[in-house]
Amino acid sequence: DTEVTQTPKHLVMGMTNKKSLKCEQHMGHRAMYWYKQKAKKPPELMFVYSYEKLSINESVPSRFSPECPNSSLLNLHLHALQPEDSALYLCASSQGRAGEYEQYFGPGTRLTVT
Amino acid sequence: DAKTTQPPSMDCAEGRAANLPCNHSTISGNEYVYWYRQIHSQGPQYIIHGLKNNETNEMASLIITEDRKSSTLILPHATLRDTAVYYCIVRALRLTGANNLFFGTGTRLTVIP
Repeated sequence: DTEVTQTPKHLVMGMTNKKSLKCEQHMGHRAMYWYKQKAKKPPELMFVYSYEKLSINESVPSRFSPECPNSSLLNLHLHALQPEDSALYLCASSQGRAGEYEQYFGPGTRLTVT
Repeated sequence: DAKTTQPPSMDCAEGRAANLPCNHSTISGNEYVYWYRQIHSQGPQYIIHGLKNNETNEMASLIITEDRKSSTLILPHATLRDTAVYYCIVRALRLTGANNLFFGTGTRLTVIP
């Protein structure tokens, strides 16, 4: 099973709302990632978790707050977002952080901020 | 990570081999070459990766030049379902910073019936 699942598939939220994106994998992977992808652009890395600890934060604004409750789950908490944060949010996992391990991506959550 | 250069778009006739080139002239010895693809509105899909030797799996073949400054992804018999954006990425073995999967602009491959 090489599946990474993400919920919800679509999310519309106002600028004052608080919402969360969820990601789950059952491949025993110890590294998990959040990416953001704007329309017609490549994905951009936001956060990396390794062994449930945040290891990389790509200077992401604090209105995005990641959480890794356990090795299978990754959340992205959203608060006070701006319309320009509308994008496809992708979760990925890999066996480890090292470059020899391929990443498996979920289908993404398409977020619209109104 | 070394940056990569890919043609923005390519066409391929259905059933023919698709050969997608990638230049990574500043690649260093401990960096892997990865290929992913992204079909419209889906998450990226891992295809193949290699360090020095050519690699083949059920999806594709990866040919890396001897000097490792360029590579070619080969889809042996392209189908309409292979229409996607293909990303060539270079990743270091040891991650010391923000060098996880830097996606370039990729090549938009269109398979034509």
